[in-house]
Amino acid sequence: EAQVTQNPRYLITVTGKKLTVTCSQNMNHEYMSWYRQDPGLGLRQIYYSMNVEVTDKGDVPEGYKVSRKEKRNFPLILESPSPNQTSLYFCASSFGGLETQYFGPGTRLLVL
Amino acid sequence: SQQGEEDPQALSIQEGENATMNCSYKTSINNLQWYRQNSGRGLVHLILIRSNEREKHSGRLRVTLDTSKKSSSLLITASRAADTASYFCATDARPYSGAGSYQLTFGKGTKLSVIP
Repeated sequence: EAQVTQNPRYLITVTGKKLTVTCSQNMNHEYMSWYRQDPGLGLRQIYYSMNVEVTDKGDVPEGYKVSRKEKRNFPLILESPSPNQTSLYFCASSFGGLETQYFGPGTRLLVL
Repeated sequence: SQQGEEDPQALSIQEGENATMNCSYKTSINNLQWYRQNSGRGLVHLILIRSNEREKHSGRLRVTLDTSKKSSSLLITASRAADTASYFCATDARPYSGAGSYQLTFGKGTKLSVIP
């Protein structure tokens, strides 16, 4: 089944404790991206990747890192999480940046 | 940067009625997409309409695009309780410099409630 998977689905952590949210897709998509969704602010792009080893900042990249070492994986790294990074995070993939996006189920993060 | 803005923010209708949501954007686009999100879950793609298309249908969904007015509408006909969800439009945001790669930007969504 074609899908985008994210892990973990729920995460509670404390300020400053490094964490990684994994994202994997099995559709051989070149383009992958991370979004955060907050009430009243909608969906905002954090980082995107157009191919292996090619990443770029979205609208809200501060406090996040990404890497794209393999085509199927695009992990999101929070080196030192802060409470303002409490949010619902989505990974998405597609054949191109402007084409149909396939979203993962979301990761709900709470930073205390 | 916010490219697409949906209107209204919330819409409540009776089952069987039609629901219309609008999306306005600011700059030229390559395509416009509509997505649906059930509460707290991942977005699901509904329709993609390209800048040279004016109307597109998919089942009970009808999307129109007016590039001269920089707006799009999503019509759901004969709505069902299961259509209750948030609906988002997404457009490509071209950097003002003209350089760099394109990316999609999403609006804040229209929350649709269909009452049985």
